[in-house]
Amino acid sequence: QKEVEQNSGPLSVPEGAIASLNCTYSDRGSQSFFWYRQYSGKSPELIMFIYSNGDKEDGRFTAQLNKASQYVSLLIRDSQPSDSATYLCAVKESNAGNMLTFGGGTRLMVKP
Amino acid sequence: GAVVSQHPSWVICKSGTSVKIECRSLDFQATTMFWYRQFPKQSLMLMATSNEGSKATYEQGVEKDKFLINHASLTLSTLTVTSAHPEDSSFYICSAGAGTRGETQYFGPGTRLLVL
Repeated sequence: QKEVEQNSGPLSVPEGAIASLNCTYSDRGSQSFFWYRQYSGKSPELIMFIYSNGDKEDGRFTAQLNKASQYVSLLIRDSQPSDSATYLCAVKESNAGNMLTFGGGTRLMVKP
Repeated sequence: GAVVSQHPSWVICKSGTSVKIECRSLDFQATTMFWYRQFPKQSLMLMATSNEGSKATYEQGVEKDKFLINHASLTLSTLTVTSAHPEDSSFYICSAGAGTRGETQYFGPGTRLLVL
């Protein structure tokens, strides 16, 4: 069964630090990768997506993709208490149409 | 851009009634929409994939006769929970596919259903 795995956390970091969130996936044919943020009681919101190996930066967020090792990560620089949320990794697997497979999410806590 | 709305945001109903939830893509057309359910402190669970003009594809274990999905236009999909029971109480979230590849999912704000 194809899977997307995330450490459930909580991952606790001090304010101003870099938070590093990791995700591994099992389908080697996966082509598209997404990071979503979900605040408690709210629906997920898209942070960014990445298709190619390497880094992609957007403001304080950097997504890193390594297809050979089958992992994707999200770095949050200068973490703020408002970044405290659950971060969901999603993967478009091969032969899945437009369906995304979501990981269980990592809960991030940024302490002031 | 890529805004998805859901209505209603909250529903409280009696056991045995049916509830319809609407999902709209406001500024783009979505060939594919998705319906998820999320119980407290649990992961998103995909219920079904809805394609405009065709029957929805339901995930294993999801009763298609209980959760009726209609995707009549490129901007509207509806989920009807028929004969709702307390165990159907959950957070229902839709998403719509957008972007150049159509695979980036944008989520609606969700509908919280409480069945008494």
